[in-house]
Amino acid sequence: QSVLTQPPSASGTPGQRVTISCSGSSTNIGSNPVNWYQQLPGTAPHLLIYSNDQRPSGVPDRFSGSKSGTSASLAISGLQSEDEADYYCAACDDSLNGQEVVFGGGTKLTVL
Amino acid sequence: EVQLVQSGAEVKKPGESLKISCKGSGYSFSSYWIGWVRQMPGNGLEWMGIIYPGDSDTRYSPSFQGQVTISADKSISTAYLQWSSLKASDTAIYYCARRRGYSYGDYSMDVWGQGTTVTVSS
Repeated sequence: QSVLTQPPSASGTPGQRVTISCSGSSTNIGSNPVNWYQQLPGTAPHLLIYSNDQRPSGVPDRFSGSKSGTSASLAISGLQSEDEADYYCAACDDSLNGQEVVFGGGTKLTVL
Repeated sequence: EVQLVQSGAEVKKPGESLKISCKGSGYSFSSYWIGWVRQMPGNGLEWMGIIYPGDSDTRYSPSFQGQVTISADKSISTAYLQWSSLKASDTAIYYCARRRGYSYGDYSMDVWGQGTTVTVSS
């Protein structure tokens, strides 16, 4: 049971726009920035979006992030076959034990 | 090029000890936090803990506190994750990753190692 809630799957056809949601609480998304990671099959995760809506250099502008209250979203426009991957949201959680990173369970994106 | 290179795959028996490594290059290793993330077969990402190599300040996830030890040797730009007594349930891929910044609450991890597969089986 992950602290952050994501849909287990999402799909779209090439060229479409797809969004993936991430729901949390006041102690994590509500208080701290959200990050998104992409994990291509058989590879390590890599940072896709940081601080809610910032793209690291090299990440196409087809990828965008947003946050509102205790929820966040990742949008992928102009879907391409190489976008087929697992996507994870993450945030810091201000728990009684201090700060701890929590992840969503991941969303498997299929390009039809 | 900034990179983290992890040690190779391990096959161990239950009860054995293990220490895996993560070597940084291309940046000031002492100045960036290094985190460890577990991915069990077919599952998602789990946060284990993080260390600041500059002074070895270490924070553990409550789920992993007492189960593993995170350490670092800044003189050779290497972080470690170790177990004193492995269990079959430790079978997973373990990733190290660099924390991008220092802002409160900002735990974005911008550089990842390639992962170390640990298999624990009798």
